[in-house]
Amino acid sequence: DGGITQSPKYLFRKEGQNVTLSCEQNLNHDAMYWYRQDPGQGLRLIYYSQIVNDFQKGDIAEGYSVSREKKESFPLTVTSAQKNPTAFYLCATSWGGSSYEQYFGPGTRLTVT
Amino acid sequence: ILNVEQSPQSLHVQEGDSTNFTCSFPSSNFYALHWYRWETAKSPEALFVMTLNGDEKKKGRISATLNTKEGYSYLYIKGSQPEDSATYLCARLLNTGNQFYFGTGTSLTVIP
Repeated sequence: DGGITQSPKYLFRKEGQNVTLSCEQNLNHDAMYWYRQDPGQGLRLIYYSQIVNDFQKGDIAEGYSVSREKKESFPLTVTSAQKNPTAFYLCATSWGGSSYEQYFGPGTRLTVT
Repeated sequence: ILNVEQSPQSLHVQEGDSTNFTCSFPSSNFYALHWYRWETAKSPEALFVMTLNGDEKKKGRISATLNTKEGYSYLYIKGSQPEDSATYLCARLLNTGNQFYFGTGTSLTVIP
């Protein structure tokens, strides 16, 4: 059963704590992405990775960190430096080829209080 | 310069009506334009990937056109059905990298 798994679906944390969101894929896609969605805004790119052990910042990378140690996995850590962490987070993958069509996971809703 | 605008923000139509919405974007550094459908409680799914000026793509009752010179794409739905109810997102990819810029979406509700 191919796809993208994000866990958990809902996550609650206290302010000041780091939290890591999981994204796993078995589509054998090279590229992986993390997006954030806030009410009234389009999806905004946090980080992306085209190959293992390499990743680039998107427009809103401040307060976030990622790693890409395996092709299948691209975890996102929301650090205490992120000023407004409460949001819906989507992970996506693509072949990284010329079409760049993206496949999305089910998302994680993070609430920080 | 990077903003992708979608209009209208939301739309309610009767079953059987045809409808269309717009995605506007800066025409510079264009590489590709994607359309996605995002149904409630599901993940966004790709509808079309468009790269060439004048591209027209069709999938069943849904079609899209692309004008890269003037910076817009139209999505058309013919004979809307309740299952078409979703948010439709467009995303622009620049030729300078691999970052997508998404619009805020058009929320379509088809009333039976």
